[in-house]
Amino acid sequence: QDQLVQSGAEVKKPGASVKVSCKAFGSTFTSYAIHWMRQAPGQWLEWMGWINAGNGNTRSSQKFQGRITISRDASASIAYVDLSSLRSEDTAVYYCARGSYDSRGYPYFDYWGQGTLVTVSS
Amino acid sequence: QSVLTQPPSVSAAPGQKVAISCSGSSSNIENNYISWYQRLPGAAPKLLIYDTNKRPSGIPDRFSGSKSGTSATLGITGLQTGDEADYFCGVWDSSLSAVVFGGGTKLTVL
Repeated sequence: QDQLVQSGAEVKKPGASVKVSCKAFGSTFTSYAIHWMRQAPGQWLEWMGWINAGNGNTRSSQKFQGRITISRDASASIAYVDLSSLRSEDTAVYYCARGSYDSRGYPYFDYWGQGTLVTVSS
Repeated sequence: QSVLTQPPSVSAAPGQKVAISCSGSSSNIENNYISWYQRLPGAAPKLLIYDTNKRPSGIPDRFSGSKSGTSATLGITGLQTGDEADYFCGVWDSSLSAVVFGGGTKLTVL
């Protein structure tokens, strides 16, 4: 059964970096894209970016460019998101999700991880 | 605030039906396909609808999706207490070149 399992909660100080992992079980990891989203308290879900797990190509939202690195270890079926220069506004639940493509070729998400709470606090 | 607008909450009795709206614009809902997700308390989000009105394997036909202009709707019939969850819409925004989501709607089955 297809499943995404994320790493545990993190507490970081402002200015630090955090790396969240997402391990895929089930279908061939390299056949899909893995997307990262986050939801801050009281806010809506925000799409951050994605990685083609096959060739490693990435794309991220302009909002995070310069601070975000999305990577994967194909041999271990794990995707990562690394966010640097953390500030209090980065406190959120971070989700990974497997991307499929609609009839126009745009992504939707057919499997999600359970979420990882990242707290940024001094 | 979110690019897509959803009501914060809806409620209905068991067995009844409910419609959850998702309002956007010509750069997202009007010209692209919508997906809907269910997030039960403490659980990972689950895909309910894709391509505006298609259900993945295993999703009962009590769940349906539709669109008119710049608004989309998730319909749920035969409500069960197990349907109590947050529901949110998602769609590609052609102006932002990003996926955008609604703020989510909390469904209470009274």
